[in-house]
Amino acid sequence: DAGVIQSPRHEVTEMGQEVTLRCKPISGHNSLFWYRQTMMRGLELLIYFNNNVPIDDSGMPEDRFSAKMPNASFSTLKIQPSEPRDSAVYFCASSMTGPSYEQYFGPGTRLTVT
Amino acid sequence: GENVEQHPSTLSVQEGDSAVIKCTYSDSASNYFPWYKQELGKGPQLIIDIRSNVGEKKDQRIAVTLNKTAKHFSLHITETQPEDSAVYFCAASSGNTPLVFGKGTRLSVIA
Repeated sequence: DAGVIQSPRHEVTEMGQEVTLRCKPISGHNSLFWYRQTMMRGLELLIYFNNNVPIDDSGMPEDRFSAKMPNASFSTLKIQPSEPRDSAVYFCASSMTGPSYEQYFGPGTRLTVT
Repeated sequence: GENVEQHPSTLSVQEGDSAVIKCTYSDSASNYFPWYKQELGKGPQLIIDIRSNVGEKKDQRIAVTLNKTAKHFSLHITETQPEDSAVYFCAASSGNTPLVFGKGTRLSVIA
C-alpha cells in the first residue's frame, strides 16, 4: 500500500498567489482530513470529509481557504489569495471508519508564502 | 469541546531509561485515545491507541494507561533507544467527533 500521497512536498509562493495542495487517500478509506501544523498552534484540524461530503469545516480559518473532494481518491485544499501567515506544514490524513478511529497521515506539504 | 493538555513539552532521557508522557482531557464522553510519533520531515504515525473499555495496553516497549475517572492517559516507553527520539502527540475523541491533539512532546534519547 502506498499510503496517503500528498503533492507538492514543498511549495514556495508569493503573497497573493493561489496555492493548491493535493491529496490521495489510502484506497478503501472513507474519511479524509486536512490539518495544518505550526510551532505556535500545533496540529489543527481544518476540515474533514466522510464519503466525499464535507462534515466539519469549522477549522477553516477564513474564506480564503476552500477544500474539495470530487471523488473517493482525490482531495484539494486551496488558498486564494495566500498570505505569509499561511506558511505551515499541511497534512492530509485518511481513516477507514471515521474521525475517531485510526488516522494515517501523509508526508505533508511545507508551504512558504513570502 | 474537547481540550487536551500534554506534558512535558520536552523530555531528555539516557538510552535505556524509561520515558513517560502524560495527557489530560476535558470531555468525559471521549472514548478513543491514540498516540502518534512524528519524526523530522514526516507525518505523524500512529504507534498505539487505547479505548475507554480498557485501562492499559502494551505493545513491546510501548504501553499506554488510561484513568477515566481522573481523565488522564499516559504513554510509557521502556528501554529507550536513540531511534525513539521524535515528537509524540496524544489525542482524544468521542463517537464521531474529530481527534483533538495535544501540543506534543519532543523526546530526546541520549546515547
